[in-house]
Amino acid sequence: SQQGEEDPQALSIQEGENATMNCSYKTSINNLQWYRQNSGRGLVHLILIRSNEREKHSGRLRVTLDTSKKSSSLLITASRAADTASYFCATHRWREYGNKLVFGAGTILRVKS
Amino acid sequence: DAGVIQSPRHEVTEMGQEVTLRCKPISGHDYLFWYRQTMMRGLELLIYFNNNVPIDDSGMPEDRFSAKMPNASFSTLKIQPSEPRDSAVYFCASSGLAGGPHTGELFFGEGSRLTVL
Repeated sequence: SQQGEEDPQALSIQEGENATMNCSYKTSINNLQWYRQNSGRGLVHLILIRSNEREKHSGRLRVTLDTSKKSSSLLITASRAADTASYFCATHRWREYGNKLVFGAGTILRVKS
Repeated sequence: DAGVIQSPRHEVTEMGQEVTLRCKPISGHDYLFWYRQTMMRGLELLIYFNNNVPIDDSGMPEDRFSAKMPNASFSTLKIQPSEPRDSAVYFCASSGLAGGPHTGELFFGEGSRLTVL
């Protein structure tokens, strides 16, 4: 299975602190994506990093990818209460699995104000 | 842009009844996906379509589940007969990049929460 595994399962921090979530996967990939899910809502795409990229930024988000370790991290800087949500990594491997994403179990982030 | 629209948002039914979930993808998107989310199993891909044709249904749990996409703007996921273990949130998502290999993002609907008593 190429399913990603997020770490930690749950994270609780104070507003203003940074939050780091990690994702590991088992096979080579074309790209890795991060999604956010607020309680009772659908998933929202945050950022995509391709296998030949090592780091990407989007606003307060920073994603790194280490293909040699088959791992990725999502850093949210200066967290806000509104960042409270579940965060999922998803891997894409077109040639072997077609056009589908395989999602990890997610990290539940709670930002306390 | 209306986004992916799913209905119903909530469905409570009794074991043995037929359940039909509906999805309208984003206009112009040529891929449509059905996912199921539970606490125990997380997000599971059930089936996906490309240009209305089912491409991979290997995630469909059993013959009680069926999905159709009669046209580019509508898809259904049907469970007949339903069982309590089918209780979950079912998500529809669409993707808009034409041609392959795809690398783009998925746009999810708000989900249909199904409870089978």
